Amino acid sequence: DAKTTQPPSMDCAEGRAANLPCNHSTISGNEYVYWYRQIHSQGPQYIIHGLKNNETNEMASLIITEDRKSSTLILPHATLRDTAVYYCIVRVLHQTGANNLFFGTGTRLTVIP
Amino acid sequence: GAVVSQHPSWVICKSGTSVKIECRSLDFQATTMFWYRQFPKQSLMLMATSNEGSKATYEQGVEKDKFLINHASLTLSTLTVTSAHPEDSSFYICSARVFGAPSYNEQFFGPGTRLTVL
Repeated sequence: DAKTTQPPSMDCAEGRAANLPCNHSTISGNEYVYWYRQIHSQGPQYIIHGLKNNETNEMASLIITEDRKSSTLILPHATLRDTAVYYCIVRVLHQTGANNLFFGTGTRLTVIP
Repeated sequence: GAVVSQHPSWVICKSGTSVKIECRSLDFQATTMFWYRQFPKQSLMLMATSNEGSKATYEQGVEKDKFLINHASLTLSTLTVTSAHPEDSSFYICSARVFGAPSYNEQFFGPGTRLTVL
């Protein structure tokens, strides 16, 4: 699975959009981009995933560049409860067998009142 | 979404004792469960992959005789830390892959178990 690079930490004002970048310059054509987050002392929570097209769900939007070498997770209106470590993961999707996720160091997002 | 539970949520034990941690998928069947370990201020590290009815696959550097994994049913996997030592103190997290999941094969994570070995 391709490696990812994320800034170690970011701050965001409450109510503003939080834009979390991720570089995955060695991503291959069949690898998806996934985002998870982990609130302190809890298990990770799935946020969103995508392959080529931009994606949006009730939690966030995912913007993937045309060359797929980087992506940005957008939390449109950050709240204090969004304070967490955000992990960007790229991996091949297997229909059978294991789909284990390899977590990097992530970005620690702090939402400031 | 699917719910994964872990029990206990925290445990304190004496050095040399064994501790069992349970991971259950509450409202779905999980053909595959994963066990992770997370030390303070570090990322999650995959320990092993557990498939129902077969032996677990351990990641390099993880002692299979120390971390016993059993996946006896489609809704339960257990991790037993045998002869625990203080260096085994960590946050243990399981995740479950949904049987018959849609194409993105989402994994669902448990809330974690904090183990402290005195």
